[in-house]
Amino acid sequence: DTAVSQTPKYLVTQMGNDKSIKCEQNLGHDTMYWYKQDSKKFLKIMFSYNNKELIINETVPNRFSPKSPDKAHLNLHINSLELGDSAVYFCASSQGAFGYQPSLETQYFGPGTRLLVL
Amino acid sequence: ELKVEQNPLFLSMQEGKNYTIYCNYSTTSDRLYWYRQDPGKSLESLFVLLSNGAVKQEGRLMASLDTKARLSTLHITAAVHDLSATYFCAVDYPGAGSYQLTFGKGTKLSVIP
Repeated sequence: DTAVSQTPKYLVTQMGNDKSIKCEQNLGHDTMYWYKQDSKKFLKIMFSYNNKELIINETVPNRFSPKSPDKAHLNLHINSLELGDSAVYFCASSQGAFGYQPSLETQYFGPGTRLLVL
Repeated sequence: ELKVEQNPLFLSMQEGKNYTIYCNYSTTSDRLYWYRQDPGKSLESLFVLLSNGAVKQEGRLMASLDTKARLSTLHITAAVHDLSATYFCAVDYPGAGSYQLTFGKGTKLSVIP
């Protein structure tokens, strides 16, 4: 009965490859997110997604693209992987207002996907 | 651009002692969140503070928010080893027109028996 799940947990790949990380939430939340946590543990928002509206952090390279087949899923596709993409990627979800209104709810985080690009 | 600063970044304390972690942010917001992360694990929500003067307590942890000072504190009372973790504060702010969480760099707490 995991609330927010991610697969795979670990991902080791070569530079230049394309890979995907999947995220699913069973909380019935409206909004999902992707975060990147670097080697110094700094956590930064990459995307917010709600009802087919996507808000992108302007610093995210366009090699990264989120795809949502339905409200409970938000997958992350990464093209042409680079060494600097190595990090832990967290999916999260929340209920309530999103984007252009402040949220009154906490976000629930998945277990993380540890990506290592060689 | 919103800046969220935590201090200290590293904290080593003995069991039974009290200490406070500080979270300063650079612009007006009245929504602040505290999360805990154990090594190699995900983030767990601790507190949601939604107004000036908000105070919440859970066990040995107490969080408060002063929006005028742009400051939140996380107070640890009579620390125990199980509290060892990294603690993040995060501020909800409409950067670039949309509300998103901006996280501090985290405070790594080690409680020594």
